[in-house]
Amino acid sequence: GAVVSQHPSWVICKSGTSVKIECRSLDFQATTMFWYRQFPKQSLMLMATSNEGSKATYEQGVEKDKFLINHASLTLSTLTVTSAHPEDSSFYICSAREVFTDTQYFGPGTRLTVL
Amino acid sequence: AQSVTQLGSHVSVSEGALVLLRCNYSSSVPPYLFWYVQYPNQGLQLLLKYTSAATLVKGINGFEAEFKKSETSFHLTKPSAHMSDAAEYFCAVSEGRSNYQLIWGAGTKLIIKP
Repeated sequence: GAVVSQHPSWVICKSGTSVKIECRSLDFQATTMFWYRQFPKQSLMLMATSNEGSKATYEQGVEKDKFLINHASLTLSTLTVTSAHPEDSSFYICSAREVFTDTQYFGPGTRLTVL
Repeated sequence: AQSVTQLGSHVSVSEGALVLLRCNYSSSVPPYLFWYVQYPNQGLQLLLKYTSAATLVKGINGFEAEFKKSETSFHLTKPSAHMSDAAEYFCAVSEGRSNYQLIWGAGTKLIIKP
């Protein structure tokens, strides 16, 4: 089956630093990837849609300058949280759309803790 | 606009009992419907999906769901609950090929009593 990986699985950083999270589709090509944020005991909140070779589409209320998304290849999208602050601490999950089945496959998530 | 409603933020069943997790949706176009499961501190795993073929969809781990257009429902069932089924379950809808962005339900936490 389709597999999506995320790296790192968890990260702790100091306030003011930037953190990059990678999302890879391992056995299929994904022209579209999605980035979600999940708060404790809540559903997923879509942050942005990442399209290979073009600019990401951000959801309302998500700061594009703070959450930089780059989808440089058909198997890799990155999310960079710039100048992270404690309120950015969260569980970040990516998904990749498998074209032939129209199904989103999810990565295992990255837990970010900003001190 | 599309929306998903999951009835019950928590559902508790005894081991061996029937599992029923409810999902109702609204959509102006024929929907694609999905159930995902999330175990603690993990990402989401696809359980099953409906994409306009058979209305009764069988998924992994013994789960199945039935698409009922007249009731705008896509309830998830499993005949006999197992302790390992304890997790958070999310129902989601998309417009399929016209718009594959997923709209999520709030999630239902399934608790299995020994």
